[in-house]
Amino acid sequence: DTEVTQTPKHLVMGMTNKKSLKCEQHMGHRAMYWYKQKAKKPPELMFVYSYEKLSINESVPSRFSPECPNSSLLNLHLHALQPEDSALYLCASSQGAQERKEAFFGQGTRLTVV
Amino acid sequence: RKEVEQDPGPFNVPEGATVAFNCTYSNSASQSFFWYRQDCRKEPKLLMSVYSSGNEDGRFTAQLNRASQYISLLIRDSKLSDSATYLCVVNLLPGGTSYGKLTFGQGTILTVHP
Repeated sequence: DTEVTQTPKHLVMGMTNKKSLKCEQHMGHRAMYWYKQKAKKPPELMFVYSYEKLSINESVPSRFSPECPNSSLLNLHLHALQPEDSALYLCASSQGAQERKEAFFGQGTRLTVV
Repeated sequence: RKEVEQDPGPFNVPEGATVAFNCTYSNSASQSFFWYRQDCRKEPKLLMSVYSSGNEDGRFTAQLNRASQYISLLIRDSKLSDSATYLCVVNLLPGGTSYGKLTFGQGTILTVHP
């Protein structure tokens, strides 16, 4: 089972709203990732959690706030977003102990900020 | 210089054709390499890992040249279902870390026509 589940699949939010994206995996992976993908562009790394600790923050604006409540769950809290933040948000996980670090992606949340 | 560079294409080939994609990476400390495919409005899916000795999976062959920092993917006997964006992905972190920093090339669009 190489499944990463993301909810919701689609989200429309206003610039003053607060919302959260959720990601879950039950593969025992200890590294989890948030990526952002704009249309016709490749995914760009936002955050990496390893063993539930934030390991990489790619200078992401503070209106995006990640959280890793446990080894299976990863959240992305959104507040005061801008229309240019509209994108596909992808969660991924990888088996931290292995050298290769291939990541498995969820289906993504398609976010529209209005 | 971008960390991972790909020929963006697009490639338009007839069914049955052989097509090759190339990719270069800038960080010589990179330890692991992958090809992902992404269908329109879907998440990236791991196509294959790339090993130093080269590896094959059915109609797909991947090669790695560490000295030239060059990765390739060869698709033989193209099928209509191979139409997708092919993403070259490099883990920029050296081995030994418990997580990866997967960085994507800009992707190569392939269209296979009847």
